[in-house]
Amino acid sequence: GNSVTQMEGPVTLSEEAFLTINCTYTATGYPSLFWYVQYPGEGLQLLLKATKADDKGSNKGFEATYRKETTSFHLEKGSVQVSDSAVYFCALSGSYSWGKLQFGAGTQVVVTP
Amino acid sequence: GAVVSQHPSRVICKSGTSVKIECRSLDFQATTMFWYRQFPKQSLMLMATSNEGSKATYEQGVEKDKFLINHASLTLSTLTVTSAHPEDSSFYICSARAPGLAGNIQYFGAGTRLSVL
Repeated sequence: GNSVTQMEGPVTLSEEAFLTINCTYTATGYPSLFWYVQYPGEGLQLLLKATKADDKGSNKGFEATYRKETTSFHLEKGSVQVSDSAVYFCALSGSYSWGKLQFGAGTQVVVTP
Repeated sequence: GAVVSQHPSRVICKSGTSVKIECRSLDFQATTMFWYRQFPKQSLMLMATSNEGSKATYEQGVEKDKFLINHASLTLSTLTVTSAHPEDSSFYICSARAPGLAGNIQYFGAGTRLSVL
């Protein structure tokens, strides 16, 4: 079946540091890939997405590229802010999953001033 | 963007009572809504898929008689936790899929924190 593996947290960074959160997946067919962000006490917000190989999703300074050859969708940001502190979830929607999302375990990111 | 409203945001109830959680899509029609459960510091676990006008599809291990789902209209789905017990305490999150948008995007509610005493 489909699965998503992402690096464990927490990841602690200083403001303006470079952030990378690794995400790899297994899936049949051609899944769509997503990054969601969850701020404390809130639901999830879509951060970015990619629907086919080599697509790059980007939003709010975050980027992730759909790499089919390495089955990866790593999230990056060049200069983090304290407001980026949150839990980040990598997710996929399989070709035959009727819209269901498979989530990774989530990675907590803590950015200190 | 598409907005999903979830209510209440927090509820405390006594053991044995039932609790209803509402999920509304405010500016789009959602033919499909999803209900998730999230334990502290863990990922979201899909409980069930709710389709307007038909019975919900539950994931393996989820008791359908305990977690009643009703998708009465294209903008409203409800989750009722029947005869709640302390082990049902959790963060429940709904999402709605907006038809016509590429990539199977789900829009999430803000979640409901359920505490059963």
